[in-house]
Parts: sequence; structure tokens; C-alpha cells
Amino acid sequence: GDSVTQMEGPVTLSEEAFLTINCTYTATGYPSLFWYVQYPGEGLQLLLKATKADDKGSNKGFEATYRKETTSFHLEKGSVQVSDSAVYFCALSDPGGGADGLTFGKGTHLIIQP
Amino acid sequence: NAGVMQNPRHLVRRRGQEARLRCSPMKGHSHVYWYRQLPEEGLKFMVYLQKENIIDESGMPKERFSAEFPKEGPSILRIQQVVRGDSAAYFCASSPPTRRLNTEAFFGQGTRLTVV
Repeated sequence: GDSVTQMEGPVTLSEEAFLTINCTYTATGYPSLFWYVQYPGEGLQLLLKATKADDKGSNKGFEATYRKETTSFHLEKGSVQVSDSAVYFCALSDPGGGADGLTFGKGTHLIIQP
Repeated sequence: NAGVMQNPRHLVRRRGQEARLRCSPMKGHSHVYWYRQLPEEGLKFMVYLQKENIIDESGMPKERFSAEFPKEGPSILRIQQVVRGDSAAYFCASSPPTRRLNTEAFFGQGTRLTVV
């Protein structure tokens, strides 16, 4: 079945550092890929998405490129802020995989220190 | 326009009791999804419902779990005879009738169920 693997956390960085959170996937069809963010005490919010190979999703300074050849969708940001501290989930949607819902990774807890 | 509302936020049940989790989708949304997040795990899809219909329940445990989305009122996830392994955060998401969850997703804040 479909699966999403993302790097284990917590990831601790200093403010203004460069961020990469790795995400790789396996899917039977042609999935759409997503990054969600969960701030403390809140629900998940869609951060960005890409629906086909080589698409780049971007939002709030975050970017991720859909790489079919490496089955990856790594999240990057050039200069992180304390307010970026949250849990980040990589996810895919693959209607060809059978289920109608999203398949999520386990989440990566990001901590940004001032 | 209120977001997806889940209640209660926290629920404590003794083993063998029933747990009822409620989800009110965003206004105008007729598709509801339930997910479960076990400690140290990602979110796992459980069930996808439209008004009065279960569309996909491939992620639901075969016993003790049920879900409904009536014509009026919130969607309900029901867990009968809870066990300690049911302790988790349960998230609901909704989407409009013309879109599927893979294009737009709005999540609630979740219900944290603790079975003691």
C-alpha cells in the first residue's frame, strides 16, 4: 500500500537557519503531495501542495518540489523564525491506491530557538 | 465562517464504556473524513462520509467502531467498549461537495481520547 516516510524529530534549529525536512513516498498511482503544519493546540493546516511531477508548491517562505524520480517531496525554508515552531506532516493522496483519504507521515516536530 | 468544530476536545473514558466524538464540518461542506493519531504515529485514515452515506470505511477497525453523518447534525464517531489501545487523538476534516480532500482540506482541532 501507499506510505510516507519523513525524517524523525525533533529538529532543533536557530532562528534564520536553513531548514530541510525530508519526505519520501511510495504510491501505486500518481499521487498528489502535501505538507501540513500543526501549531500547538490547533488542527492541521494545509501549508503547500503539488499535484504532478516537477511542480513546486510554496507558501509563507516554504517550498517543496515534487520529484518523481526520487519519490521525494522535501520541505525547505531559507530562514526560519521562532513562529515556525510546529509539527510538520508530509502526506499524499492517491485515489488509485484504493482509499479516499490522505496517507500521512508520522510528523516532524520543529523547534526554532531565538 | 467557523472552521471544523470537534467536541469534546478531551474525553476520558473507563475501559468498557462508550466514547462519542462529534464533528461539525465547515458551513457548506458535505464531505467528512475521520483520522486517528496514535502516540508517536502519523494520522491514519479511518472513514469518509457524505450526508447519510459511508463512502469509504477501509481504515475503520472491524469491531466496536462506527461512524455516521446524518442529514441534520454533526458527524459522530462512536467507539463501543473502549480499551486502552483506543487512546489517541481523533481528527475530523471536511471538504466542499465539489472537491475531494486531495484538493482542499480543513481539519478540526481534534479530540484527545484517554481510556483509563
